[in-house]
Amino acid sequence: RKEVEQDPGPFNVPEGATVAFNCTYSNSASQSFFWYRQDCRKEPKLLMSVYSSGNEDGRFTAQLNRASQYISLLIRDSKLSDSATYLCVVNSLTTSGTYKYIFGTGTRLKVLA
Amino acid sequence: DGGITQSPKYLFRKEGQNVTLSCEQNLNHDAMYWYRQDPGQGLRLIYYSQIVNDFQKGDIAEGYSVSREKKESFPLTVTSAQKNPTAFYLCASSTGGSGYEQYFGPGTRLTVT
Repeated sequence: RKEVEQDPGPFNVPEGATVAFNCTYSNSASQSFFWYRQDCRKEPKLLMSVYSSGNEDGRFTAQLNRASQYISLLIRDSKLSDSATYLCVVNSLTTSGTYKYIFGTGTRLKVLA
Repeated sequence: DGGITQSPKYLFRKEGQNVTLSCEQNLNHDAMYWYRQDPGQGLRLIYYSQIVNDFQKGDIAEGYSVSREKKESFPLTVTSAQKNPTAFYLCASSTGGSGYEQYFGPGTRLTVT
């Protein structure tokens, strides 16, 4: 089982739609969680951190469910510019005492006009 | 402007040659990381460094080497021992510890023929 799993998509949605992605993680001791956005042939850019109580940033809402070990990202009122790959990232403490970021393979979103 | 720079953006080499990829940050971050991304794949950790003069192997360190002589700099050498070096290489930095996001440089696309 992969440490962080995402549905690769693509999710093709019309402009204005609401779309949600889930990401599951296997390490119950994972401590922090993030969503990144990656455009084609570019570097990942931080979209938002994910907090235990859930958090919202404009049209984007992130949720964490520690009991079921998944995080989610909801995008409301999709724009053409939201088309990208969304990466789920989990930060966990390793046995050597350092923190390691584990990346999912990403979910591809295409917003259609 | 604070950020991470990587150079060059595109690099072409012949098989059998070592090549060094540059990564510099002026964010005053303690931790730096090197990842490799192949088409349709997630990011895989090559090496990371939590502090100057110290670094650890990631999941795919074979055929690579690094140094961390200065806080700002974390160069990666792709040696001739790396069997499939053609990939997109991403450098990242973070404050270190749990809860802190990573910031990425623009990446270097290496092609070895």
